[in-house]
Amino acid sequence: RKEVEQDPGPFNVPEGATVAFNCTYSNSASQSFFWYRQDCRKEPKLLMSVYSSGNEDGRFTAQLNRASQYISLLIRDSKLSDSATYLCVVNMGYGGSQGNLIFGKGTKLSVKP
Amino acid sequence: DGGITQSPKYLFRKEGQNVTLSCEQNLNHDAMYWYRQDPGQGLRLIYYSQIVNDFQKGDIAEGYSVSREKKESFPLTVTSAQKNPTAFYLCASSTYRGAYQPQHFGDGTRLSIL
Repeated sequence: RKEVEQDPGPFNVPEGATVAFNCTYSNSASQSFFWYRQDCRKEPKLLMSVYSSGNEDGRFTAQLNRASQYISLLIRDSKLSDSATYLCVVNMGYGGSQGNLIFGKGTKLSVKP
Repeated sequence: DGGITQSPKYLFRKEGQNVTLSCEQNLNHDAMYWYRQDPGQGLRLIYYSQIVNDFQKGDIAEGYSVSREKKESFPLTVTSAQKNPTAFYLCASSTYRGAYQPQHFGDGTRLSIL
């Protein structure tokens, strides 16, 4: 099983749509979880951290299910500017490499007018 | 403004040549990282350093070398032993506050073979 697995997409949605991305991870010792956004030919930028209780930042909602080792990101009222690749990122969470992140390959979102 | 600066933005390597990618941060972060990204692929860790004068191999360290003589700087050398160096190279840093905080990235260096 891959360490962090995401549906590669692309997800093509109209403006205003709600879209959900899912991600599974294999290391049950993982401690921290994040969603990053990467625009074409740019560096990844932190979108939000994911907390056990779930968290919301404006139109974005992140959820974590530790029992199922599953993370999700929900985007409501999609904007054209949301078009990007969304990376699911998991902290290794143990020993000397606890700062190390494992990146999924990303899910591409394209929001159309 | 605080941030991570990578240079150059584009770099071309001749066969048999070593090239060095620069990464400087003024965020006072202890940990720094180098990743490689190939088209359609996720980021893969090359090397990381959690303190000055110490660094560890990541998943794909062969053909690369690093140094961490100063907290602010973590240069990456792509040696001639790296046979497929064409990729997007990203440097990141993070700090520790009870747990490692999310990594922040520089804007990357694109390396190509001439």
